[in-house]
Amino acid sequence: GEDVEQSLFLSVREGDSSVINCTYTDSSSTYLYWYKQEPGAGLQLLTYIFSNMDMKQDQRLTVLLNKKDKHLSLRIADTQTGDSAIYFCAESTGSNYQLIWGAGTKLIIKP
Amino acid sequence: NAGVMQNPRHLVRRRGQEARLRCSPMKGHSHVYWYRQLPEEGLKFMVYLQKENIIDESGMPKERFSAEFPKEGPSILRIQQVVRGDSAAYFCASSPDRGVNEQFFGPGTRLTVL
Repeated sequence: GEDVEQSLFLSVREGDSSVINCTYTDSSSTYLYWYKQEPGAGLQLLTYIFSNMDMKQDQRLTVLLNKKDKHLSLRIADTQTGDSAIYFCAESTGSNYQLIWGAGTKLIIKP
Repeated sequence: NAGVMQNPRHLVRRRGQEARLRCSPMKGHSHVYWYRQLPEEGLKFMVYLQKENIIDESGMPKERFSAEFPKEGPSILRIQQVVRGDSAAYFCASSPDRGVNEQFFGPGTRLTVL
């Protein structure tokens, strides 16, 4: 069946780069997404990548997609305390509104 | 423009009681989606509604759960005769049109069943 896997926690030092990884199983995915959830807030769409791309960059964020290995990563350069949040990976199914979600990776920033 | 509002933020119910979760979409949004997140799991799609219509309820349990989005007022997710396994975070999202890229999420309602 369809599944999206993420590590539950990642700890990095302030100023370092954070790399959050995600694997998925559905080879027919069309879009892959990264959402951010800050404490007490809703999920915010950070970025998404179409499955025929292998990289997308947006300011401090870089998304890498390895479609052969079904591996998606989100790199946050120069990690700041404001980046502390839970980051969710999700893939689209055949429907254009239903997503398959990972359990989320909690990013912890060490001073 | 206020974001998607959900209330209550936290809800405690005893087994057998009813839980009513409310979602007010962003202004101008007529599409509402409900998701459930169990502890340490990803979000699971439950139901997709447009004003006065249920478009897709394939993720809703067949019994005890119902959803509506009336012409006036918020969308309501109702869980009757709650059981401990219903304890979860319930998220609502809205969009101006059908499509994932434009879904905006609320902060969620955390339901605890004692």
